[in-house]
Amino acid sequence: NAGVMQNPRHLVRRRGQEARLRCSPMKGHSHVYWYRQLPEEGLKFMVYLQKENIIDESGMPKERFSAEFPKEGPSILRIQQVVRGDSAAYFCASSPLAGDLEQFFGPGTRLTVL
Amino acid sequence: AQTVTQSQPEMSVQEAETVTLSCTYDTSESDYYLFWYKQPPSRQMILVIRQEAYKQQNATENRFSVNFQKAAKSFSLKISDSQLGDAAMYFCASSQGGSEKLVFGKGTKLTVNP
Repeated sequence: NAGVMQNPRHLVRRRGQEARLRCSPMKGHSHVYWYRQLPEEGLKFMVYLQKENIIDESGMPKERFSAEFPKEGPSILRIQQVVRGDSAAYFCASSPLAGDLEQFFGPGTRLTVL
Repeated sequence: AQTVTQSQPEMSVQEAETVTLSCTYDTSESDYYLFWYKQPPSRQMILVIRQEAYKQQNATENRFSVNFQKAAKSFSLKISDSQLGDAAMYFCASSQGGSEKLVFGKGTKLTVNP
């Protein structure tokens, strides 16, 4: 059973460009979570999605950031008009059920904004 | 709001010795869960151990155990017989019952000396 997949692993963008980060949850998992890790910091929750629904986006910046988890295909975290402060590692996690105690994490995408 | 505090930015231990990592948390909820995650240099987040707040018995997973002091809101991790492969960042995290998001501390960097 393949783990949570994230791609790309490394992404470099110039200021003002768009960044698209992809997450394929583990097989059978329909709950996806996105977290951001700034340098020397712990992970910060961004958004929780189920298939075709955003359940909790309380950690998402109000502007430029969006997330989706379509019926088919991976979950996408999209950052428009990136700024240097968006440079971070972005982690995706998945779980099979709501309230499941374990979230399985992907390897992360390291975004660098030049 | 939940908060998680790790007061030790760095710790070191000799191989085969025991080390304890500290974590305190704050929550107004009675139903919550606590976790320790390991992040090795590969940056993959790995669940080490978890504790349900309603359980009085401390969780144990092989060489890893916790000291859960509910009244003091303390959740420390003890690693026995430390191995070189235990070297990593360790993050304490909590989640509230009914909420899916994890709240992380800033982490403790553990070095294991041969």
